[in-house]
Amino acid sequence: DAKTTQPTSMDCAEGRAANLPCNHSTISGNEYVYWYRQIHSQGPQYIIHGLKNNETNEMASLIITEDRKSSTLILPHATLRDTAVYYCIVYNAGNNRKLIWGLGTSLAVNP
Amino acid sequence: DAGITQSPRYKITETGRQVTLMCHQTWSHSYMFWYRQDLGHGLRLIYYSAAADITDKGEVSDGYVVSRSKTENFPLTLESATRSQTSVYFCASSVNRENSPLHFGNGTRLTVT
Repeated sequence: DAKTTQPTSMDCAEGRAANLPCNHSTISGNEYVYWYRQIHSQGPQYIIHGLKNNETNEMASLIITEDRKSSTLILPHATLRDTAVYYCIVYNAGNNRKLIWGLGTSLAVNP
Repeated sequence: DAGITQSPRYKITETGRQVTLMCHQTWSHSYMFWYRQDLGHGLRLIYYSAAADITDKGEVSDGYVVSRSKTENFPLTLESATRSQTSVYFCASSVNRENSPLHFGNGTRLTVT
């Protein structure tokens, strides 16, 4: 399964969009891009996932490049509650046991 | 909507003791997982289960035992706790369906003295 590369940390001003990048250059054709986040002392929380097309839900938007080698998670109006570690993971749907978790991006939303 | 609950939230035990961490989910999800999280490491899979009475090892299974007699419960047992097993343990579940994400509990912080 493909591994991902994310920046260690990022800052964002409250109310602004937070754009979190992820590189997954070795992604396979049947692997999805998933994003989770982990707020301090809590379990990881699913945010969004996609295969090829851009996706949007009530939490965030996911932009996947045409070659699928990278993606960006967008939090359109970041709040202090969005301060968390964000994990980008790629894996074959149905192979949950094959998830490889990196260290993610620590996002600090500042007032 | 109880979801997935782990107990206890915190546990301190001594080296050599047996300790069991509990995980209960109310969704009837077929898949359940145990992860540990340590500083400097991503989440690492200990064990997973595809259904009741079906379990398999993850990447860091040594020293751990699991069982799954009922779909909703997936206890993790440390047969003889060691200091290296001091960690935060997360249980997760998912449906057996393509694209299904994981749903995590809030973890058990275990300290082995």
